[in-house]
Amino acid sequence: EAEVAQSPRYKITEKSQAVAFWCDPISGHATLYWYRQILGQGPELLVQFQDESVVDDSQLPKDRFSAERLKGVDSTLKIQPAELGDSAMYLCASSSNQQGPYGYTFGSGTRLTVV
Amino acid sequence: AQRVTQPEKLLSVFKGAPVELKCNYSYSGSPELFWYVQYSRQRLQLLLRHISRESIKGFTADLNKGETSFHLKKPFAQEEDSAMYYCALSSFGNTPLVFGKGTRLSVIA
Repeated sequence: EAEVAQSPRYKITEKSQAVAFWCDPISGHATLYWYRQILGQGPELLVQFQDESVVDDSQLPKDRFSAERLKGVDSTLKIQPAELGDSAMYLCASSSNQQGPYGYTFGSGTRLTVV
Repeated sequence: AQRVTQPEKLLSVFKGAPVELKCNYSYSGSPELFWYVQYSRQRLQLLLRHISRESIKGFTADLNKGETSFHLKKPFAQEEDSAMYYCALSSFGNTPLVFGKGTRLSVIA
């Protein structure tokens, strides 16, 4: 079964450092999502891509977070500088245009700890 | 604004007992509702969606527009049902899912 790949699985970084996460969606999936899940809460959308274009980044803290999907395939989410409150699980999901939310496939996530 | 509320953080039931995980939503239009499940050390995965009116692993959920609810039910809980359950809402098309905070179901043998 096709999977969404994310790396690294775990990341520990010091406050004020830069950190980056990578996501490789299922082949052919045009839509890619980055969600953040703080401990004890549900996933919250950070950014949605349609191919290489950002569709929704209204909840992305743009002063420190950036996301790109240059060729419309894999994607990188960056935080600079990291803050203690950024400690969370960062989830990537993808879906095809036809499936919409019915066809979300999530990756295993990257657990970030900021110390 | 879209909002999903799961009032219970933790629900413990005995094996064989009925289960009901509550979900209420706030949305002015016609929502699409979903239940996602995350078993220990596994990825978040779709359990069921309201438009399919399906039963997955013995779970069902009925959309009640009058009460704006989409409660998840199972008549007889099994130990393997222990997991985190998230209710989610999408407005239309390819719009992103909005998730509730989740309910941890613990089935006691």
